[in-house]
Amino acid sequence: KQEVTQIPAALSVPEGENLVLNCSFTDSAIYNLQWFRQDPGKGLTSLLLIQSSQREQTSGRLNASLDKSSGRSTLYIAASQPGDSATYLCAVNNQGGKLIFGQGTELSVKP
Amino acid sequence: EADIYQTPRYLVIGTGKKITLECSQTMGHDKMYWYQQDPGMELHLIHYSYGVNSTEKGDLSSESTVSRIRTEHFPLTLESARPSHTSQYLCASSRGGYSEAFFGQGTRLTVV
Repeated sequence: KQEVTQIPAALSVPEGENLVLNCSFTDSAIYNLQWFRQDPGKGLTSLLLIQSSQREQTSGRLNASLDKSSGRSTLYIAASQPGDSATYLCAVNNQGGKLIFGQGTELSVKP
Repeated sequence: EADIYQTPRYLVIGTGKKITLECSQTMGHDKMYWYQQDPGMELHLIHYSYGVNSTEKGDLSSESTVSRIRTEHFPLTLESARPSHTSQYLCASSRGGYSEAFFGQGTRLTVV
């Protein structure tokens, strides 16, 4: 059974710092991995989708990497801003679009 | 910006009431999903659909039911709400099973 773990559970950094969020999964037979952002009480906003054949994807200050064989993905946020404060979720897709989510990392960027 | 909408955003109802949570998408996606999320916890899949007249139960057991009569519409119904149903319900859609998933804003349900 696929399990997804995100470390750390919470992270607080000063504005301007670069940071890395980690995601690990137990079953490497995935089709893709998706990173989301969730603001309090809101839905999920898709940030990046990495297909299993890809190593990384970039969007603005965000860079996501995927090492399928070791069951790991990282989300790198450059030059963090207070507006980046949110919960970041990773989800793996290994069976017909049924996403398996981690518990998320709650990020706080202090001005 | 994803075109997937959920109504209502917030709902407080009494025990025993029947409710329907609405989810609509205008992207023509075949696949739609319902997830349940308790505060501070991960999302769990409770229902999914691969197209019209197709519905399946997800990994987390739920007393709710769904229907998919039209491609763009995937409502979730609770016949008799209970306090244990208090949670946030999130709807999602994707073009294919391995495509990017888009989520609605969620419905926060409170049963008193």
